[in-house]
Amino acid sequence: VQLVQSGAEVKRPGASVKVSCKATGETLSSHGISWVRQAPGQGLEWMGWISAYSGNTLYAQKFQGRVSMTTDTSTNTAYMELRSLKSDDTAVYYCARCSGGSCYFNSFDPWGQGTLVTVSS
Amino acid sequence: DIQMTQSPPSLSASVGDRVTITCRASQGISDYLAWSQQRPGKVPKLLIYAASILQSGAPSRFSGNGSGTDFTLTISSLQPEDVAIYYCQHYNGAPWTFGQGTKVEIK
Repeated sequence: VQLVQSGAEVKRPGASVKVSCKATGETLSSHGISWVRQAPGQGLEWMGWISAYSGNTLYAQKFQGRVSMTTDTSTNTAYMELRSLKSDDTAVYYCARCSGGSCYFNSFDPWGQGTLVTVSS
Repeated sequence: DIQMTQSPPSLSASVGDRVTITCRASQGISDYLAWSQQRPGKVPKLLIYAASILQSGAPSRFSGNGSGTDFTLTISSLQPEDVAIYYCQHYNGAPWTFGQGTKVEIK
């Protein structure tokens, strides 16, 4: 399985961005997808996950109210939308498959290639 | 939230050296611990899961150990292609958290 993400984005503060993550080689609906971001020169930060089977989501408290994760099983694609962007949202955003049907008690593999989102006025 | 603390933050070793990185969880996580490698400019790649199981395709010089709160990642014979940042991550439940990373360089 491979996860192919959408291309780089440049956004103004206050805008929204929607990043896609398309699975090839395997059906997405039997897995969970986590989203992780990495600010320039920084470590990894988990944002939330979605069950592609049920559509259930769980978001990190830091992003509650500002993030939405969805899936489209007809196109085998997961999406992450982040709203009210700030300059410190500038980061590479990764999707990662959870190795079981859920992200609970399952590691992340593989990862998408990453999508750079730059927030700048 | 469970805090993951790695040590050292960085290390420099010679080719062929044995290298060990430590990860400590702020509370017990059983063996729900993964190690990932991020080479410069690349995507994180899973090396070890369940604390000690080598991911398919990962070189056998990598090994993991530990359970509960204390874990180690060992490279038995450091190679030039091992230059990377290594992250531990728990998946014992939300929120999933990562260590701050250990940067491995060649001396």
